[in-house]
Amino acid sequence: DAGVIQSPRHEVTEMGQEVTLRCKPISGHDYLFWYRQTMMRGLELLIYFNNNVPIDDSGMPEDRFSAKMPNASFSTLKIQPSEPRDSAVYFCASSGQLNTEAFFGQGTRLTVV
Amino acid sequence: AQKVTQAQTEISVVEKEDVTLDCVYETRDTTYYLFWYKQPPSGELVFLIRRNSFDEQNEISGRYSWNFQKSTSSFNFTITASQVVDSAVYFCALDGSGNTGKLIFGQGTTLQVKP
Repeated sequence: DAGVIQSPRHEVTEMGQEVTLRCKPISGHDYLFWYRQTMMRGLELLIYFNNNVPIDDSGMPEDRFSAKMPNASFSTLKIQPSEPRDSAVYFCASSGQLNTEAFFGQGTRLTVV
Repeated sequence: AQKVTQAQTEISVVEKEDVTLDCVYETRDTTYYLFWYKQPPSGELVFLIRRNSFDEQNEISGRYSWNFQKSTSSFNFTITASQVVDSAVYFCALDGSGNTGKLIFGQGTTLQVKP
C-alpha cells in the first residue's frame, strides 16, 4: 500500500479564499484523523471519522472549518474563508482499529497570506 | 484532564552517545495507550511504539528502548549509540479519552545528533 496520501503537499492562498485539503487513507482502515501542527499549539486533533462517520469534531477550531468523508477512500478538510492564522501543517492519518498505531500522511503545508 | 509533557525542548548529543527523551503524562483513565512518533526533517510522522497501560514491561527494539513506569506516569525513550540519522523531533502521545483514538501529543523534543 502507498500509505496515507495527502494533496496538495503545499498550498499558498490569499486570505478569504476557500482551501480544500484532500486525503486518501490506507485501504481497509476504518479510522481517519485530521491533525493540525503549529509552532504555538503543537499537534492537535481536529476531527476523526469511523467508517466515514464523524465521531468527534470538538477540535475543529471554528465554523470556517469543515470535514467530510464521502467514502472509505477519500476525505476533505475545507477552510472557508481562510485566514492567516490557519497557516499550519495539516496531517491526515488512518488506523485499522482504535488504539492501534495511526499512519500519517506527509502533510499539507498551508500558508495563508 | 489529559496531558503529555515533554520537558526537554531540544537535546544535542554527539554521535554514539546514549540519549533519553522524557515523557510524563496525566490521565484519570485506568485504560490508556501511549505512543512515540518520530518526525524527521522531511516532515512526516513515523510511528515508533505503542504501549497499553496494563503492560509495564520495558521494550527494546534495536538501539531503541522504552521505559514505562506507571508509578511516575512516565514513558521515557532511550536511543543507544545515537546516529546522525536519529536527528528528528520526537513526540510522545497519549490516547486516554475512553479509547477514542484521539491522540494528545506532547510538544515534542528536538534531537540533534552531531557527527
